[in-house]
Amino acid sequence: EAQVTQNPRYLITVTGKKLTVTCSQNMNHEYMSWYRQDPGLGLRQIYYSMNVEVTDKGDVPEGYKVSRKEKRNFPLILESPSPNQTSLYFCASKGQVHYEQYFGPGTRLTVT
Amino acid sequence: KQEVTQIPAALSVPEGENLVLNCSFTDSAIYNLQWFRQDPGKGLTSLLLIQSSQREQTSGRLNASLDKSSGRSTLYIAASQPGDSATYLCAVRGEKGRSGGSYIPTFGRGTSLIVHP
Repeated sequence: EAQVTQNPRYLITVTGKKLTVTCSQNMNHEYMSWYRQDPGLGLRQIYYSMNVEVTDKGDVPEGYKVSRKEKRNFPLILESPSPNQTSLYFCASKGQVHYEQYFGPGTRLTVT
Repeated sequence: KQEVTQIPAALSVPEGENLVLNCSFTDSAIYNLQWFRQDPGKGLTSLLLIQSSQREQTSGRLNASLDKSSGRSTLYIAASQPGDSATYLCAVRGEKGRSGGSYIPTFGRGTSLIVHP
């Protein structure tokens, strides 16, 4: 089954404790991205990757890092999380033919 | 910068009604427009993708139209059912090759739909 998976689905952490949210897709997509979704602000892109070792900033990259060492994986790293990074995070990948986006199930992160 | 607006923000209708959800965008130089469904606390499910050269796409009871020149797309839901209750989002992607993040899609804030029995 074609899918995008994220782990963990839920995470509560404290300010300053480094964390990584993993994302994996099994569709051989070159393009992957991370979004955050906040009430009243909608979905905003954090980072995207056009291919292995190619990443670029989205609209709200501050406080986040990403890496793309393999085609299927695109982890999101928060080196020093802060409460304003409490949000619902989505990973997505996009096909090369019709550019249709596929989303993961989301990771709800709470930073206290 | 592209801005995407969805109207109405919320909609509550009885089962069986035909619905129209609206999505408008400020920059008509788009590559494609995609409609999604999001259930509470869950991810986005793609419903329909319309390329800039297309006028509409259909899938079952759903029909999405695109009018690039006027910066509008509509999602038509026929014979609505309680299972259609969800938030519907549209996302616009800019033309390839344009500067300013052509690969960054812009999302609307969604229309929250409730279909009651």
